Amino acid sequence: QKEVEQNSGPLSVPEGAIASLNCTYSDRVSQSFFWYRQYSGKSPELIMSIYSNGDKEDGRFTAQLNKASQYVSLLIRDSQPSDSATYLCAVIKGGGADGLTFGKGTHLIIQP
Amino acid sequence: GAGVSQTPSNKVTEKGKYVELRCDPISGHTALYWYRQSLGQGPEFLIYFQGTGAADDSGLPNDRFFAVRPEGSVSTLKIQRTERGDSAVYLCASSRAGGDTIYFGEGSWLTVV
Repeated sequence: QKEVEQNSGPLSVPEGAIASLNCTYSDRVSQSFFWYRQYSGKSPELIMSIYSNGDKEDGRFTAQLNKASQYVSLLIRDSQPSDSATYLCAVIKGGGADGLTFGKGTHLIIQP
Repeated sequence: GAGVSQTPSNKVTEKGKYVELRCDPISGHTALYWYRQSLGQGPEFLIYFQGTGAADDSGLPNDRFFAVRPEGSVSTLKIQRTERGDSAVYLCASSRAGGDTIYFGEGSWLTVV
């Protein structure tokens, strides 16, 4: 089992709808969880971080964490064409010494 | 500086040559990371510095890869005897301390021909 797993997509969502991106991780001691957005040819850009179980909202974005199920998700409300990108789930394991472990990313396409 | 700065932004080199990639982290950030990203993949961890020392170099693929950070700020990733499989984007990132939010530079695109 890979350490961080994501469906590579593409995930196609109509403009204005909710996009739901999912991620599972294998290391139970993982403590910090991040969602990065990456446009083609650009570097990853931090969108959300979440550290405790439950929901965390920031504008149109909501991150959800369930440590018991080892599951992290990102919801994007009122999806815009500019949200079309690859979304990378990343995890810091306990201790933080080895930085981020990334999934392969989910390619999201918002259809106008 | 305002952000993580990487040079060169693009590098084309011949197979077998030596390459150096430079990273200047955000001012005051003690933690520095190197990642490699191939097409269609997420970034792959290479090495992590806390200050001048390599706290974790378990991601370096083989002994052709080496990185230094002699003064605890700028870091250089060195690749000897480059191979075509080394072609990728090499991303540098920094954080205030280990475990804090990590910010990426724009990457160095390496092509080995």
